[in-house]
Amino acid sequence: GQQVMQIPQYQHVQEGEDFTTYCNSSTTLSNIQWYKQRPGGHPVFLIQLVKSGEVKKQKRLTFQFGEAKKNSSLHITATQTTDVGTYFCVYFNDNAGNMLTFGGGTRLMVKP
Amino acid sequence: DGGITQSPKYLFRKEGQNVTLSCEQNLNHDAMYWYRQDPGQGLRLIYYSQIVNDFQKGDIAEGYSVSREKKESFPLTVTSAQKNPTAFYLCASRRDETGRGGYTFGSGTRLTVV
Repeated sequence: GQQVMQIPQYQHVQEGEDFTTYCNSSTTLSNIQWYKQRPGGHPVFLIQLVKSGEVKKQKRLTFQFGEAKKNSSLHITATQTTDVGTYFCVYFNDNAGNMLTFGGGTRLMVKP
Repeated sequence: DGGITQSPKYLFRKEGQNVTLSCEQNLNHDAMYWYRQDPGQGLRLIYYSQIVNDFQKGDIAEGYSVSREKKESFPLTVTSAQKNPTAFYLCASRRDETGRGGYTFGSGTRLTVV
């Protein structure tokens, strides 16, 4: 089935530094969704990208979908301790029961 | 407020026991899903249901069973056939008709075999 690979698996940053996580697929994706899961919590939907080359921003977060729709990235500018958590890229498969296929996630840790 | 309620938050199971995890939603969503998450890992799909009285197996359905008798409810039973059930279980529902508006997750149930 469709797989999405995410790197890095872990990232430690100093508060104020930037952070980027990358998501890759061997095949073209119709969409990518991004979720954030705080430690001990549940995934919370952040955004969905569907267009080739699409860029969306939410305050300090910038989401990008590649031109070939095979990769995506999430960039956080000037991290804060509230950004701590695991960020998942997720493929929504609208051809198979609308299932979500999760990447492995990137766990972000921020030192104050 | 609308949302998904999972209970219990923590559950302990003895070897050989069946246990049932509750998932209730008042969002009027048609589709509901069960995922399993192991420490440091992503989520894997156990079962999903797109309408009442219908459900489909996901990637790791062995040792699990579900029912969907009401739109609001999608309970998951972890049977004794599931050899490694200790995990974090998450229930989700689809936010809109196409699924493209994101999914809503419950707060999860942490199951531990003792």
